Amino acid sequence: GEQVEQLPSILRVQEGSSASINCTYENSASNYFPWYKQEPGENPKLIIDIRSNMERKQTQGLIVLLDKKAKRFSLHITDTQPGDSAMYFCAARDTNAYKVIFGKGTHLHVLP
Amino acid sequence: GALVYQYPRRTICKSGTSMRMECQAVGFQATSVAWYRQSPQKTFELIALSTVNSAIKYEQNFTQEKFPISHPNLSFSSMTVLNAYLEDRGLYLCGARDGNQAPLFGEGTRLSVL
Repeated sequence: GEQVEQLPSILRVQEGSSASINCTYENSASNYFPWYKQEPGENPKLIIDIRSNMERKQTQGLIVLLDKKAKRFSLHITDTQPGDSAMYFCAARDTNAYKVIFGKGTHLHVLP
Repeated sequence: GALVYQYPRRTICKSGTSMRMECQAVGFQATSVAWYRQSPQKTFELIALSTVNSAIKYEQNFTQEKFPISHPNLSFSSMTVLNAYLEDRGLYLCGARDGNQAPLFGEGTRLSVL
């Protein structure tokens, strides 16, 4: 299969706390996992990505973890701010078919 | 820097008519272009993937007869929605990438159908 499951669909956190979004994938040929942030009325923008030769990557308050055995990857936003409120999409790329399949998205609300 | 321009940003068409959207890659070579549709409340459905020197591959539920795509060079792609109906409403996105990079998205074309 090619499905990418993403949970939760809605996430509310207090400003300053951390937020975690989890995704699982089915295709063991997937080797690249980008995360996108989409603000209302905007196109999705790449915020961080991880390749299958890594287990962890961190940049500017974002951490992504990859567990290839469990076919699971996650995004962690530390010290959330109101500007982090948006839709977040995980995705997985099939190295053979060259396709990028997206999860259904998580609507993150950072409460002041 | 690398950018993807997509136009028009918004379009309205009458039911049963067609509309064309275009995607321009600037600052990199778009060796592959994927067209997605983001319907209201839904994630991105992959319509088709076009890779230079390969045939355009359509996903299940999408056909060339309905969504013809052109990818004539490494900087341009277009897609037409033929005979648009209400279920075709949504945000259409082109995601262009060069090799192993993550897709870079255009601003999207929001299609409304009357």
